Amino acid sequence: GQQLNQSPQSMFIQEGEDVSMNCTSSSIFNTWLWYKQEPGEGPVLLIALYKAGELTSNGRLTAQFGITRKDSFLNISASIPSDVGIYFCAGQRAGTSGTYKYIFGTGTRLKVLA
Amino acid sequence: EPEVTQTPSHQVTQMGQEVILRCVPISNHLYFYWYRQILGQKVEFLVSFYNNEISEKSEIFDDQFSVERPDGSNFTLKIRSTKLEDSAMYFCASTESGANEQFFGPGTRLTVL
Repeated sequence: GQQLNQSPQSMFIQEGEDVSMNCTSSSIFNTWLWYKQEPGEGPVLLIALYKAGELTSNGRLTAQFGITRKDSFLNISASIPSDVGIYFCAGQRAGTSGTYKYIFGTGTRLKVLA
Repeated sequence: EPEVTQTPSHQVTQMGQEVILRCVPISNHLYFYWYRQILGQKVEFLVSFYNNEISEKSEIFDDQFSVERPDGSNFTLKIRSTKLEDSAMYFCASTESGANEQFFGPGTRLTVL
């Protein structure tokens, strides 16, 4: 089946450091999304990317949609303790009747040390 | 800001029992989804629903599963005879149009004993 691999699986960083995580796929996606999930909660959308090569920022977050449409990265600058959580990439795949489904990545667990 | 809500937040049931998980999507949204996340694993697509019918379902969504929009606001997932391996977080999501970003609810944790 379709698989999105994220790296690293987990990371411990010091508060104030920059963070970079990647998502790769063997399949092409036309839309990539990045979500954050905190314990016991649902995924919350961070950034959506619609065009190959697109670079988009949302506050301290920056994400890019790879030229090949098979990868994406997410950067977090100047990390703070509330950045703790699991970050998931998701590729959007067209279904039927105008619906789309998300294929989620394996997740990157981020822990920030104060 | 409008949000997707789900009830209950936690459901404990005995194996073989039926459960109904409830979702209230964002009010002007037309496309609805259920996803599942087994503890410590990634989020997996179960089913999409539009215009009062299932648009697509995954291989996980077998005959034990069904979805319904019983009225203008609720969207439900029923598991007819729960199995131990159905224990997971179940997330409802909705979107205004098919290609727009999906907004997820807080999830229902289902524990099957």
